[in-house]
Amino acid sequence: QQQVKQSPQSLIVQKGGISIINCAYENTAFDYFPWYQQFPGKGPALLIAIRPDVSEKKEGRFTISFNKSAKQFSLHIMDSQPGDSATYFCAASHLGPYTYTGGGNKLTFGTGTQLKVEL
Amino acid sequence: DTEVTQTPKHLVMGMTNKKSLKCEQHMGHRAMYWYKQKAKKPPELMFVYSYEKLSINESVPSRFSPECPNSSLLNLHLHALQPEDSALYLCASSQENTEAFFGQGTRLTVV
Repeated sequence: QQQVKQSPQSLIVQKGGISIINCAYENTAFDYFPWYQQFPGKGPALLIAIRPDVSEKKEGRFTISFNKSAKQFSLHIMDSQPGDSATYFCAASHLGPYTYTGGGNKLTFGTGTQLKVEL
Repeated sequence: DTEVTQTPKHLVMGMTNKKSLKCEQHMGHRAMYWYKQKAKKPPELMFVYSYEKLSINESVPSRFSPECPNSSLLNLHLHALQPEDSALYLCASSQENTEAFFGQGTRLTVV
């Protein structure tokens, strides 16, 4: 029940196109859903995150869509650029509303999507 | 500033060596983490420190020994590692239950 399933495993998109990566979870206690971008040899960088009280969040060219009833969320990268070529990981955790349970932000990651944006 | 600094960037060690990985953050975060990442795999949580106390140990072998000397520093002491322990070791930090920020990692090779 701790798994986060991510698809596709790899994705090739033309420059200027839309990249879409999907994730699904089972644990209904999850209430925080971030996306991380990772370049080779680097650590994951937080891209954008959403809490389940909203269905969509947009930051620049990056949008998270969240479907609580389906337990799915997705990352949309608009106007994809070659510089976006990287591995993208979705993740999920249980943070709780306001109280701190002492376990920090224990992230469960999806399996990753290798995105290549071609010219 | 959302910077988590890890040293060294690369480390090669023999199976009988003792070495340490270091992590530092100055964001005032009170939770710090060690993750292990194998090639083409997602990061896997190893340890969580909360307010300088070990709160989660994900059944990690005792040849990995974490230490949190103060709220800004996190160490991972390595001893008698195996070649299969070769991986990218990532440190992260968060302000209690908020977004987690990762360092650039230490690429460890055990020979």
